[in-house]
Amino acid sequence: DTEVTQTPKHLVMGMTNKKSLKCEQHMGHRAMYWYKQKAKKPPELMFVYSYEKLSINESVPSRFSPECPNSSLLNLHLHALQPEDSALYLCASSHIAGVQETQYFGPGTRLLVL
Amino acid sequence: QKEVEQNSGPLSVPEGAIASLNCTYSDRVSQSFFWYRQYSGKSPELIMSIYSNGDKEDGRFTAQLNKASQYVSLLIRDSQPSDSATYLCAVKDRGSTLGRLYFGRGTQLTVWP
Repeated sequence: DTEVTQTPKHLVMGMTNKKSLKCEQHMGHRAMYWYKQKAKKPPELMFVYSYEKLSINESVPSRFSPECPNSSLLNLHLHALQPEDSALYLCASSHIAGVQETQYFGPGTRLLVL
Repeated sequence: QKEVEQNSGPLSVPEGAIASLNCTYSDRVSQSFFWYRQYSGKSPELIMSIYSNGDKEDGRFTAQLNKASQYVSLLIRDSQPSDSATYLCAVKDRGSTLGRLYFGRGTQLTVWP
């Protein structure tokens, strides 16, 4: 089973709202990732958690706040977003396995900021 | 900064033909190579991973890796209209920071009946 789930599937929010994206996996993976993908572009890495600790932050603006409450869950808290933050937000997970680390993506949350 | 280049496409082939997708990468420390398929509006789905020089086959898909030429390709035999999607090449360094995948811009494939 290589399933990563994400909720919600779609989200519309105003620039003053606070919302959260959720991601869950039960594959025993100890690395989890947030990506942002704009139309016709490849995914851009935002954050990486390894053993529930933040290991990579790709200079993402502070209006995006990740959280990893346990080894199966990953959240992305959103606050005061801008219209240019509208995108597909992808969660992924992988074993921590060096060369053979393979990332599996969830279905994504389509975010629209008005 | 690692660069991953893919044939820009779009690529259009008839049903039943072989589709050939190419990817080159900029440095020699890359060790892991992945092909993801992404349907419009959906998330990337892993098709193949390859780590050693040579060919790796899985059903209608064959990945080919040549580290000396810094080249990885994906062949899709007996292409079907359901193969129409964007194919993303992704590369990972040996010993790189966890999670550091470098993506190409993708090649859009259309298989016409």
